[in-house]
Amino acid sequence: EVQLVESGGGLVQPGGSLRLSCEASGFTFSVFEMDWVRQAPGKGLEWVSYISRNSDTQYGDSVRGRFTISRDNAKNSLSLQMDSLRAEDTAVYYCAREFSGSFHSFDVWGQGTLVTVSS
Amino acid sequence: EIVLTQSPGTLSLSPGQRATLSCRASESVRSYLAWYQQKPGQAPSLLIYDTFNRATGTPARFSGSGSGTDFTLTISSLEPEDFGVYYCQQRSSWPLTFGGGTKVEIK
Repeated sequence: EVQLVESGGGLVQPGGSLRLSCEASGFTFSVFEMDWVRQAPGKGLEWVSYISRNSDTQYGDSVRGRFTISRDNAKNSLSLQMDSLRAEDTAVYYCAREFSGSFHSFDVWGQGTLVTVSS
Repeated sequence: EIVLTQSPGTLSLSPGQRATLSCRASESVRSYLAWYQQKPGQAPSLLIYDTFNRATGTPARFSGSGSGTDFTLTISSLEPEDFGVYYCQQRSSWPLTFGGGTKVEIK
């Protein structure tokens, strides 16, 4: 079964850091591009970051310079290092696989992990 | 940044009715538009990619159309499991962006 499982969410104070992980299974992780997408409580979807098979990266304007995406193909793992967190970063963070038939569309999603930034 | 505007915000319909959802882009996204469905407490799921291509498992009652800046998702006859929030998303340029969503609710 193709699956993505996020972990690492929790409560963090403004200015703090958190590292999210996403474990992939059921497919050849190394050949897929991957992304993080977030959803603030009761709000819509916001794309956060992208990483290619070769670890080229892109970031949304709201997180550039504060978040770092990375991958470990040997461990089938995707990560998001989040620094200088703000209240507006509070959201469910989804790990998403890019569809091979249409790059930068997302055909597999994890269940999400909640990040709450609050004092 | 390409802004995607979805309308209406909410669509109240009965099972069996036709649903028409709109997504308008602030500049051309060519045909690089996808649609997702999200049900409460669940992750989104891909319905349509590149304007009109149904993803694996998407029922034939879902169809997509449009090009450039104006796109439509049509559900020909609503089933009870179709109620939820629908998002469009463009992959034409960075940053990738989503529309604000259209909620399809039971009338």
